[in-house]
Amino acid sequence: DAGITQSPRHKVTETGTPVTLRCHQTENHRYMYWYRQDPGHGLRLIHYSYGVKDTDKGEVSDGYSVSRSKTEDFLLTLESATSSQTSVYFCATGLAGGNEQFFGPGTRLTVL
Amino acid sequence: AQSVAQPEDQVNVAEGNPLTVKCTYSVSGNPYLFWYVQYPNRGLQFLLKYITGDNLVKGSYGFEAEFNKSQTSFHLKKPSALVSDSALYFCAVRDARQGDYKLSFGAGTTVTVRA
Repeated sequence: DAGITQSPRHKVTETGTPVTLRCHQTENHRYMYWYRQDPGHGLRLIHYSYGVKDTDKGEVSDGYSVSRSKTEDFLLTLESATSSQTSVYFCATGLAGGNEQFFGPGTRLTVL
Repeated sequence: AQSVAQPEDQVNVAEGNPLTVKCTYSVSGNPYLFWYVQYPNRGLQFLLKYITGDNLVKGSYGFEAEFNKSQTSFHLKKPSALVSDSALYFCAVRDARQGDYKLSFGAGTTVTVRA
């Protein structure tokens, strides 16, 4: 998985609570991405980063925020979790000038 | 705008038979195309990509894909499927003009290879 780890790997939380997911990479890749995977939708981009402290929204960013204070870490925060955010979340990285993305193992989040 | 369609939710084949997973795309500029595979409870693994050049691209595990610009397609193929090829397959595209390297993924096709 190209030196990408995600934590936690599984989490169950309650509606209204804040949740932070962490992505850590050891590849020194410039680009990092957060996706959610839901049946029938494939992967949808939530937020991405093109450098330290440089982030932008993806197609399903409502209810999510991100931060990237170091090259190796990209955090995804659900400010107030809702049941519609129950999903599997994947982090990915990519090289500047590269093309394919490299994926982490995923985090399964359940919001009750 | 860019998008991908995978018209088949499921593909079922017998082991040893040819396997084809279909993908069509839409981009404003030139396409960069990718195939990924996902095994249960795992992340996505990169299989192959088309950037430029030969329309037939060879990738990992004996897979290949053919880029067809006139039909805006990038179908994944394997001449002889194995039971171990059973997995979820995703096609992805990005516009070559983009500087943010964002990919758009299809909904995925579940491949089942029966012994």
